[in-house]
Amino acid sequence: AQKVTQAQTEISVVEKEDVTLDCVYETRDTTYYLFWYKQPPSGELVFLIRRNSFDEQNEISGRYSWNFQKSTSSFNFTITASQVVDSAVYFCAPAFNAGNNRKLIWGLGTSLAVNP
Amino acid sequence: SAVISQKPSRDICQRGTSLTIQCQVDSQVTMMFWYRQQPGQSLTLIATANQGSEATYESGFVIDKFPISRPNLTFSTLTVSNMSPEDSSIYLCSGQGQGFANEQFFGPGTRLTVL
Repeated sequence: AQKVTQAQTEISVVEKEDVTLDCVYETRDTTYYLFWYKQPPSGELVFLIRRNSFDEQNEISGRYSWNFQKSTSSFNFTITASQVVDSAVYFCAPAFNAGNNRKLIWGLGTSLAVNP
Repeated sequence: SAVISQKPSRDICQRGTSLTIQCQVDSQVTMMFWYRQQPGQSLTLIATANQGSEATYESGFVIDKFPISRPNLTFSTLTVSNMSPEDSSIYLCSGQGQGFANEQFFGPGTRLTVL
């Protein structure tokens, strides 16, 4: 079965703290893509990052970084020096094979509250 | 990435009626999708809108209840038919460019309340 688990339901941090959001998935696919999305209180989903399964190089983009470990099926996302504007629900969404296409499998989301 | 608009942004409807939600993309996209999101919940895929052919529905969703049209590469509609209060939700349209690596980008959503 294909599934994704975001074990952290809610996280609360103080501004400027670093925070890591966990994502673990299950699939038999050998190649797939992994995405993180952000949904602020306004409700609109915003694409954050993408990683393909055959590239395990971890990257940093501004205050965002991600740690992809295929051996443990994890794709964790870190925000460095968090800001109040980072308060949102964050979704991990792997894209696995679904016939002729790939389908996003959505986690339940992690609600992040960054307090001043 | 392209920009997606949805109309209406919100509506309050009576049970038994139908509502059609429009989704417009400002550039051609290969794939378009319709999702439902209950407040505080994750996204559930309703169907993939196929250009020029019938939509592909996910388990638990049927064409009679959620008819979908996609007449071209930039436009799609979702109709919520014979509504009941259980249909109250946020309905989201998304688009994806050609290639499996491309991310989906989303419209602002339509907040539907059924009384």
